Amino acid sequence: KQEVTQIPAALSVPEGENLVLNCSFTDSAIYNLQWFRQDPGKGLTSLLLIQSSQREQTSGRLNASLDKSSGRSTLYIAASQPGDSATYLCAVKPDRQLTFGSGTQLTVLP
Amino acid sequence: NAGVMQNPRHLVRRRGQEARLRCSPMKGHSHVYWYRQLPEEGLKFMVYLQKENIIDESGMPKERFSAEFPKEGPSILRIQQVVRGDSAAYFCASSPPGVGVGYTFGSGTRLTVV
Repeated sequence: KQEVTQIPAALSVPEGENLVLNCSFTDSAIYNLQWFRQDPGKGLTSLLLIQSSQREQTSGRLNASLDKSSGRSTLYIAASQPGDSATYLCAVKPDRQLTFGSGTQLTVLP
Repeated sequence: NAGVMQNPRHLVRRRGQEARLRCSPMKGHSHVYWYRQLPEEGLKFMVYLQKENIIDESGMPKERFSAEFPKEGPSILRIQQVVRGDSAAYFCASSPPGVGVGYTFGSGTRLTVV
């Protein structure tokens, strides 16, 4: 059974810092990995999708990497801003549906 | 191009009543997924549907819960005789066909059972 773990569970940083969020999964047989952002009381916004054959994806200040063999992904956020404060969720697709981690709650202090 | 539309956004039901949650997938998406997020917990898969077919319902509670995705109209998640433990945020996602595609989520329906 696929399990997804995200570390740390919560992170607080001053504005302007670069930061890394970590995601690990137990079964490397995945089709893709997707990073989402969830604001309090809101839905999920897709940030980046990495196919199993890819090593990384970039969008603006965000960069996600995937090392399938070791079961790890990282989300790098450059020059963090208060507007980046949210919960970041990692999800892998081993089969027909996504399996989610519990998320990292990020607070960027002005 | 509207995203995944869920309604209602908030739903309050008394114990024993029925709750109906609706989801209209993105245009061009034929696959619908329902997830539940309990307070202080992660997102858990419930059911995966295509038009007129339930593909995977391994995450659905065995009783009181049902889902459908008819040929015409939105997908419906139905909860009969709701209990307090059903209070949660219910999210719908859609995707086009294909194993490597990403999911688009709706804003969710927050169900409160009083």
